[in-house]
Amino acid sequence: EAGVVQSPRYKIIEKKQPVAFWCNPISGHNTLYWYRQNLGQGPELLIRYENEEAVDDSQLPKDRFSAERLKGVDSTLKIQPAELGDSAVYLCASTTPGRKEAFFGQGTRLTVV
Amino acid sequence: GESVGLHLPTLSVQEGDNSIINCAYSNSASDYFIWYKQESGKGPQFIIDIRSNMDKRQGQRVTVLLNKTVKHLSLQIAATQPGDSAVYFCAENTGTASKLTFGTGTRLQVTL
Repeated sequence: EAGVVQSPRYKIIEKKQPVAFWCNPISGHNTLYWYRQNLGQGPELLIRYENEEAVDDSQLPKDRFSAERLKGVDSTLKIQPAELGDSAVYLCASTTPGRKEAFFGQGTRLTVV
Repeated sequence: GESVGLHLPTLSVQEGDNSIINCAYSNSASDYFIWYKQESGKGPQFIIDIRSNMDKRQGQRVTVLLNKTVKHLSLQIAATQPGDSAVYFCAENTGTASKLTFGTGTRLQVTL
């Protein structure tokens, strides 16, 4: 079984530019998460989807961050415009209904210069 | 606010010894806990979990202990190997929704 797939693995952009990250969850996993992990810290939840519905986006900075999961499978997280403080690893995770353990992808390391 | 924290940022252990990684949590309503292992450049990998109605759970070379009285969680790794070198996170979940809150992490260094 394939794990959670994320792309790109690395991204370097200049501040004020837009950037997008893509995630394909494990097949059959209805729940999808986006987390942000700053250096030396644990992951912090940005948004959680149940199928195509964003059921928890309270931690998503909505002035510059957006996410979508139109068909309830893969998802895209966008930042526009990026700021220096957005440099971090963006992790996608998924799980099935009724399970609380999340399975993570390898993440996208974003560097804003 | 509620938080999950770890006592030690770095733990150095000799190969073959047992490792104990500790974690304190503050939300007494948390009912589910997970330990994750994160190697450099990779996403967190599930190790073991425990529900609040248990105080101990064992896996292959790993044991998780939960002390609800003092809100403390520990991960014990038996016969630590070089491949165990990584950052370990505890995470807690409160309520029916799957929403994990992670601590800062402990780096485990295994010396030969």
